Amino acid sequence: QVQLMQSGPEVKKPGASVKVSCKASGYNFITFGISWVRQAPGQGLEWMGWISPYTGKTDYAQQVQGRVSMTMDTSTNTVFMELRSLRSDDTAVYYCARSGAPNIVVVAPFDKWGQGTLVTVSS
Amino acid sequence: DIVMTQTPLSLSVTPGQPASISCKSSQSLLSSDGKTYLYWFLQRPGQSPQLLIYEVSNRFAGVPDRFSGSGSQTHFTLKISRVEADDVGVYHCMQGIHLPPYTFGQGTKLEI
Repeated sequence: QVQLMQSGPEVKKPGASVKVSCKASGYNFITFGISWVRQAPGQGLEWMGWISPYTGKTDYAQQVQGRVSMTMDTSTNTVFMELRSLRSDDTAVYYCARSGAPNIVVVAPFDKWGQGTLVTVSS
Repeated sequence: DIVMTQTPLSLSVTPGQPASISCKSSQSLLSSDGKTYLYWFLQRPGQSPQLLIYEVSNRFAGVPDRFSGSGSQTHFTLKISRVEADDVGVYHCMQGIHLPPYTFGQGTKLEI
């Protein structure tokens, strides 16, 4: 079955970086994009960006542009999201999800989500 | 970016009664291909969101027919014909046109 398995919780100090992984299984990795979505405590969902496993092309949301990088390892079907210069308002649950992507159109984006990774930024 | 606005932000419903959530977009979600890219998700407490409805009115696999979506252009509605205890959680609408970015509504918390 289709699964997206994320890495475990992280606690970081302000100014540090965090790298979260998302391992895909159960489907052809290159046929779906992977988006990252975060949810601050008690808040709504915020799309951060996506990566196309087919081309490696990425797009990032303006709110995190310059601090975020999304990469992948096609040998292990794993996508990574690195967020740098962490601030307290980056404290959130970070989700990966199957989605569209540059040159990838899907009928039902966000049909599968990872379990979420809590990133806490605190001094 | 397209702004998605949901109302109400919370509602309390008696089991067996209907519920309705509105979602409005700041721009039309109707694409030149004839499709309208509006989606609905349910996020149960402590869980990841799950897709309920895609392209306004298509129920995703396994979603009960108690859930229905409607609307066009900039005004959309999610209806639950008879609310059950399992329907508790936060409902999110999302637009998927003019990408990137995907943008979500603020979420509507449904309680029983």
